[in-house]
Amino acid sequence: GQQLNQSPQSMFIQEGEDVSMNCTSSSIFNTWLWYKQDPGEGPVLLIALYKAGELTSNGRLTAQFGITRKDSFLNISASIPSDVGIYFCAGGTGKGNMLTFGGGTRLMVKP
Amino acid sequence: GAVVSQHPSRVICKSGTSVKIECRSLDFQATTMFWYRQFPKKSLMLMATSNEGSKATYEQGVEKDKFLINHASLTLSTLTVTSAHPEDSSFYICSAREDRGGGYTFGSGTRLTVV
Repeated sequence: GQQLNQSPQSMFIQEGEDVSMNCTSSSIFNTWLWYKQDPGEGPVLLIALYKAGELTSNGRLTAQFGITRKDSFLNISASIPSDVGIYFCAGGTGKGNMLTFGGGTRLMVKP
Repeated sequence: GAVVSQHPSRVICKSGTSVKIECRSLDFQATTMFWYRQFPKKSLMLMATSNEGSKATYEQGVEKDKFLINHASLTLSTLTVTSAHPEDSSFYICSAREDRGGGYTFGSGTRLTVV
């Protein structure tokens, strides 16, 4: 089946630093989504991308849908302690509307 | 915004009993809902796609007789873990997408512990 490779698996950064994470796939996706999950909670949607090449921002977050439709990145600028959590990318093909998730990036921010 | 309510948030049950988890879309209709399982420090694994008014579609390796899914209305899907065993202990999460389009909204998850 389809797989998403998400990197890095974890990051430990200083407050105020910028963060970048990405997902790649051997298959094409029609939708790329980025979620954040706090411990014991369900994922919360951060940014949704629906068009190849699309660059979208949401506050300090910026994400892009790769032109090849096989990759996406998420940037977080000027990180703060509440950015701590696990970030997941997810790709959708439209078939059955199901999503395929990346392995997650665990972000830790040192005040 | 779209809200998905999942209940219960935590449940502890004895081996051999059954547990029902509910997933409700509060302010939108969802013909299709999804059930995921998540192990500690791991990503979400799709278990099944729940379809209103028809049978659920299960992913390979997921026992349909053990994980019963019912999608009786456009706003409610239930997952019943039958004859639960300790290895069924996990974090179960549902999600739904509005029929009119938009992003996928997740429930807050259910922590199941089978003792």
